[in-house]
Amino acid sequence: QKEVEQDPGPLSVPEGAIVSLNCTYSNSAFQYFMWYRQYSRKGPELLMYTYSSGNKEDGRFTAQVDKSSKYISLFIRDSQPSDSATYLCAMTGWDSNYQLIWGAGTKLIIKP
Amino acid sequence: NAGVTQTPKFQVLKTGQSMTLQCAQDMNHNSMYWYRQDPGMGLRLIYYSASEGTTDKGEVPNGYNVSRLNKREFSLRLESAAPSQTSVYFCASSEQQGIEKLFFGSGTQLSVL
Repeated sequence: QKEVEQDPGPLSVPEGAIVSLNCTYSNSAFQYFMWYRQYSRKGPELLMYTYSSGNKEDGRFTAQVDKSSKYISLFIRDSQPSDSATYLCAMTGWDSNYQLIWGAGTKLIIKP
Repeated sequence: NAGVTQTPKFQVLKTGQSMTLQCAQDMNHNSMYWYRQDPGMGLRLIYYSASEGTTDKGEVPNGYNVSRLNKREFSLRLESAAPSQTSVYFCASSEQQGIEKLFFGSGTQLSVL
C-alpha cells in the first residue's frame, strides 16, 4: 500500500463547477501538506501549503486537512478551463526527514 | 526570470549508454533535488543536495550519480542506462532543505531502448 493515495482520474467537470480533489495517507507523523499543480509538459508549481489540521483559503482555492481521518482535500470554486491540469498532493513529517512524499496526481479537465 | 533550467528536454538512449542531465537555478537557492516521475506513481526523489558541497540519496538512487558543481548547478548522471530508467526527470530547488517551496524545471523526457 502506498503511503499517499490519490485517484488518478481524469475528473471532467463543466466550467463554473466546484471541484473537489482528495488524497488519503497512512502515516500519522505527516504534519505538512501541499498541493502542486502541473500543466502538461511542465514542472509542478506550489498551489497551497497547510500545516497540521484545518482549512486554508486562497482566492478560488481552499485546502482542508483532516488528520483524524488522514484525508486532505483541495476545493476549486468557479472552475475555469485554465484550471485543467494534474493536481499533486504532497506531504511530509519528522519521520520522512521532511522529504516530500507525493501522490500520483489527479488529472482535472474543465470543459468550457 | 529563468528559474530552474534543465537540459536536454528530450533524450533517447540505448541500453548501456551513459548521459548527464544538467540543471541550473538562478534564485540563489541552497538546496537542489532530482526527481523522476512515472505514470501512476508520485514523484520519487533520486538524490538531493541540501547545500553546496553535500549530496544525499533519496528514495531511488540506484543507477544514478550526482554532482553539485557549485551553488547554481546540480547534474544527474546515468552511467549505464537501463529501460527501467525510462521516465521524466525533474530538477527542483528550494531556499533551504526541508519544508520549503520547491521550484521545478520543465523536465527531461528520457527513453532508454
